[in-house]
Amino acid sequence: DTAVSQTPKYLVTQMGNDKSIKCEQNLGHDTMYWYKQDSKKFLKIMFSYNNKELIINETVPNRFSPKSPDKAHLNLHINSLELGDSAVYFCASSPDRSRSWGEKLFFGSGTQLSVL
Amino acid sequence: AQSVSQHNHHVILSEAASLELGCNYSYGGTVNLFWYVQYPGQHLQLLLKYFSGDPLVKGIKGFEAEFIKSKFSFNLRKPSVQWSDTAEYFCAVSRSSAYGNNRLAFGKGNQVVVIP
Repeated sequence: DTAVSQTPKYLVTQMGNDKSIKCEQNLGHDTMYWYKQDSKKFLKIMFSYNNKELIINETVPNRFSPKSPDKAHLNLHINSLELGDSAVYFCASSPDRSRSWGEKLFFGSGTQLSVL
Repeated sequence: AQSVSQHNHHVILSEAASLELGCNYSYGGTVNLFWYVQYPGQHLQLLLKYFSGDPLVKGIKGFEAEFIKSKFSFNLRKPSVQWSDTAEYFCAVSRSSAYGNNRLAFGKGNQVVVIP
């Protein structure tokens, strides 16, 4: 069973559209994250939710809105897509926010978003 | 803000060659250090970690990394690579805190290609 699954794997869309990427984890983790990997390969955190509560919200345009219906899901909605949004988006989860959380960070396989 | 630097983004080498990937970080406090690996078509997974103690840590698949505090470095090494080590390698750093800090900062990654 896939621990952290995100769909779709590939997403090609036109500028101005609204799209969503879904993420689900079956590990029973309390914390989930969205990371963005840009064309220069930097992985940057966007959001983090702990038990459905937003705990990290980096400087991200408000066109990006995470939604956590329950602690096993963290979906990413993007409104009015722009060319610069093209990137690979990774979902991740960890059991808690303790010191050793980084070793228990599980990533999804990524969603390659291409905005035309 | 802390940053993580990885140089030589593309590395091509032959099987049995030795591999060393450099990682430098800018944060001055106590840190936790990680190397993640992403094999083609797969998700990111933890290769090894350092929290404290022996600065030479051993990970899976024959990889090791050495923490040199004075140089703010955490370089990854493998004495003899195999074709199956072809992957992208990411160094990551988080601040050590009893309250937890989910801002895991990643380097740009090293694309390693091992030629049979």
